Amino acid sequence: GQSLEQPSEVTAVEGAIVQINCTYQTSGFYGLSWYQQHDGGAPTFLSYNGLDGLEETGRFSSFLSRSDSYGYLLLQELQMKDSASYFCAVRDDKGNTPLVFGKGTRLSVIA
Amino acid sequence: DSGVTQTPKHLITATGQRVTLRCSPRSGDLSVYWYQQSLDQGLQFLIHYYNGEERAKGNILERFSAQQFPDLHSELNLSSLELGDSALYFCASSVAVPNTGELFFGEGSRLTVL
Repeated sequence: GQSLEQPSEVTAVEGAIVQINCTYQTSGFYGLSWYQQHDGGAPTFLSYNGLDGLEETGRFSSFLSRSDSYGYLLLQELQMKDSASYFCAVRDDKGNTPLVFGKGTRLSVIA
Repeated sequence: DSGVTQTPKHLITATGQRVTLRCSPRSGDLSVYWYQQSLDQGLQFLIHYYNGEERAKGNILERFSAQQFPDLHSELNLSSLELGDSALYFCASSVAVPNTGELFFGEGSRLTVL
């Protein structure tokens, strides 16, 4: 089976940088994904790391260290609209297997 | 708009009843996944269908069942409903092998059991 750990809540100031960590335990590993979900909305895909290192997409970056079973999502130049829940997710096989999600980190951006 | 359509958006029913949630995946996507999200909980994987066949089961209760039809839409059937079944039920679709881990989620069906 798989398990993922991420902080339940994070608060940060508008314009600042915040990092949301995720550690995982899986029998196999085929990539770490990040999703954003606003209250009452659908989860939307943000990024994917299949290999070690940093992936950058605009203000968002995601990092993976497979040897440490660890990844993080970095949000820069925070905006109020970034207030949402952020989920990390893993697949344990490259086949057509389901994503397993962490419990999510609720990010509150304050002025 | 993800291209995934779920109906109904909201549903209120009583304990012991049965409901059916419907999902139409994005055009061309063969995989459909069902997830349950309870209050302050993450997304719990229920079941996965690929091109009409069941591929994986998560922590899905025996009272729940699903199927994927030849036109690739899927239905999740929830029976003998209990208060604890109140949750947001999401359907997601993907291409056959989502190499980037990208799933496209519908807006969800919010089920309230009274």
